[in-house]
Amino acid sequence: NAGVTQTPKFRILKIGQSMTLQCAQDMNHNYMYWYRQDPGMGLKLIYYSVGAGITDKGEVPNGYNVSRSTTEDFPLRLELAAPSQTSVYFCASSRGLAGYNEQFFGPGTRLTVL
Amino acid sequence: KQEVTQIPAALSVPEGENLVLNCSFTDSAIYNLQWFRQDPGKGLTSLLLIQSSQREQTSGRLNASLDKSSGRSTLYIAASQPGDSATYLCAVMGAGGTSYGKLTFGQGTILTVHP
Repeated sequence: NAGVTQTPKFRILKIGQSMTLQCAQDMNHNYMYWYRQDPGMGLKLIYYSVGAGITDKGEVPNGYNVSRSTTEDFPLRLELAAPSQTSVYFCASSRGLAGYNEQFFGPGTRLTVL
Repeated sequence: KQEVTQIPAALSVPEGENLVLNCSFTDSAIYNLQWFRQDPGKGLTSLLLIQSSQREQTSGRLNASLDKSSGRSTLYIAASQPGDSATYLCAVMGAGGTSYGKLTFGQGTILTVHP
């Protein structure tokens, strides 16, 4: 199993540009998550999905959009990039909400908006 | 709203010391608590997961405890080594209210173990 994969690893955007961060998992997990991590901080939840076709907002959703058309993929779309979106983005997945279900994380995408 | 706090923010110890990292959370309605390790510029590595019904978990030199009623967890690292230097993150999976099904993270403890 590749686990959770993310592309690209690094990206520099200009203000106002758009891009999609890709996330895929091959563990047949229902739950998928997008987080951002700012320097020296913990992770904050952007969006999450409990299954194909079902998504919901997390703590910091403004400026982002998601879709979940398959169990495997959960892309994050940035529209009109702003410097405040400079961060490291992590995707994660888990089987469900039972106590024994841990979240597995991808390697992250480091995004800089100039 | 669930809030997670980690103390201390940074810790520097000589090699060989036993040490304790602390994590507290405000809402005891949780499915589990996870401890992660993050090396500079890298992703998160899961160290230990404690289910809400459990009191502790052990893996090698690591031992994590959970007191759900008081909203506290500790990560104990025995005989620390320079390779243990990293940021340690605590996170709880909410089981109720607005935190339901969501992982809330602390801000992390930066550990430096010097030879």
